[in-house]
Amino acid sequence: AQSVTQPDIHITVSEGASLELRCNYSYGATPYLFWYVQSPGQGLQLLLKYFSGDTLVQGIKGFEAEFKRSQSSFNLRKPSVHWSDAAEYFCAVARGTYKYIFGTGTRLKVLA
Amino acid sequence: DVKVTQSSRYLVKRTGEKVFLECVQDMDHENMFWYRQDPGLGLRLIYFSYDVKMKEKGDIPEGYSVSREKKERFSLILESASTNQTSMYLCASSPADRDNQPQHFGDGTRLSIL
Repeated sequence: AQSVTQPDIHITVSEGASLELRCNYSYGATPYLFWYVQSPGQGLQLLLKYFSGDTLVQGIKGFEAEFKRSQSSFNLRKPSVHWSDAAEYFCAVARGTYKYIFGTGTRLKVLA
Repeated sequence: DVKVTQSSRYLVKRTGEKVFLECVQDMDHENMFWYRQDPGLGLRLIYFSYDVKMKEKGDIPEGYSVSREKKERFSLILESASTNQTSMYLCASSPADRDNQPQHFGDGTRLSIL
């Protein structure tokens, strides 16, 4: 069955430290992959997407993600975290034309 | 920028009431979606619509219905609200496109059923 796994429910990092959020997917065909961020009380904002081509994808707010087919992973990274990055992050895979499968989210806490 | 507007940020209703959640998008998108978001469960699709008057069930449609009379508006209806429908509800839209264009989300409606 198709699924998306975000193994880390919570992650805490210090401001200025690097960040990697993990995402593993299970999907038979070539996946369309997304990372979204949700700030408290807000909806989801698209950070980046992968459809095909270069496996390293650049997004907004200094985020990037790397698609690794052999590991079925699409991990999100940022070299230096800012306090404003504290939020919940969701990985998603598109199944078919309309439907997404979302992971359960990783909540990021940033220490000053 | 795409704007998806949900009519209420917070809503409190009573068990058994009929509840309407409204969503409007301003980018002429064909596809619209309703999700519910619960801690530890991520987002789960309730219903989606790919055209006016067209709808399809998502993963958890029980207890819900939808209406799409105009392209820009997609309503979620709780026919008889129950306490287990207390949740955050998110509306999204996307253009009709073979390349799986990203969904754009509203800010959500936090619904409490007492």
